[in-house]
Amino acid sequence: GQNIDQPTEMTATEGAIVQINCTYQTSGFNGLFWYQQHAGEAPTFLSYNVLDGLEEKGRFSSFLSRSKGYSYLLLKELQMKDSASYLCAVNEDTGRRALTFGSGTRLQVQP
Amino acid sequence: EAQVTQNPRYLITVTGKKLTVTCSQNMNHEYMSWYRQDPGLGLRQIYYSMNVEVTDKGDVPEGYKVSRKEKRNFPLILESPSPNQTSLYFCASSFDPRTSGLHTDTQYFGPGTRLTVL
Repeated sequence: GQNIDQPTEMTATEGAIVQINCTYQTSGFNGLFWYQQHAGEAPTFLSYNVLDGLEEKGRFSSFLSRSKGYSYLLLKELQMKDSASYLCAVNEDTGRRALTFGSGTRLQVQP
Repeated sequence: EAQVTQNPRYLITVTGKKLTVTCSQNMNHEYMSWYRQDPGLGLRQIYYSMNVEVTDKGDVPEGYKVSRKEKRNFPLILESPSPNQTSLYFCASSFDPRTSGLHTDTQYFGPGTRLTVL
């Protein structure tokens, strides 16, 4: 099994930058995903990292360090619509290719 | 439009009354999966399917059944629902990188089915 930890809640101000951290412990690893989920809605794909380093996609960036079992999601120029839960998920390096999810970080963007 | 659809979106039922939640995708994905989401526990996999007629258990399969007779459909069956199956259910699908050659097997999620078992 795997253990994935991320903060439960964060608060940030509109226009600011926020970093959401995720640490994982796993016996196998085949990639890390970040999803955004608005309350009661489906998770939507944000980013994917399988190699160490930074992946940038518009206002969102994601970083991975496999040796440290660590990732972060960076959100720039925060907007009110960014208020949502952000889910860190690890793809186990097994045949069933399940995503193992953290409990999610609920981000509240304030004016 | 490429999408994963689920029906029904909301369902209130009683203990023991068999129900089926349908899932369909139009992206020709090989891999499909069911998750349930509960407060504080995150998303947990119930069952998955690598392709037609190939299904297997995830982390929390007890009380559920699935079938994969066609590539696009992956229904979740609760033969005798119980209150502890009250949850938010998501179906997801992706390509199989072993056959598609893609470098990632990003899973795309349906809109969710909120089930209450009384």
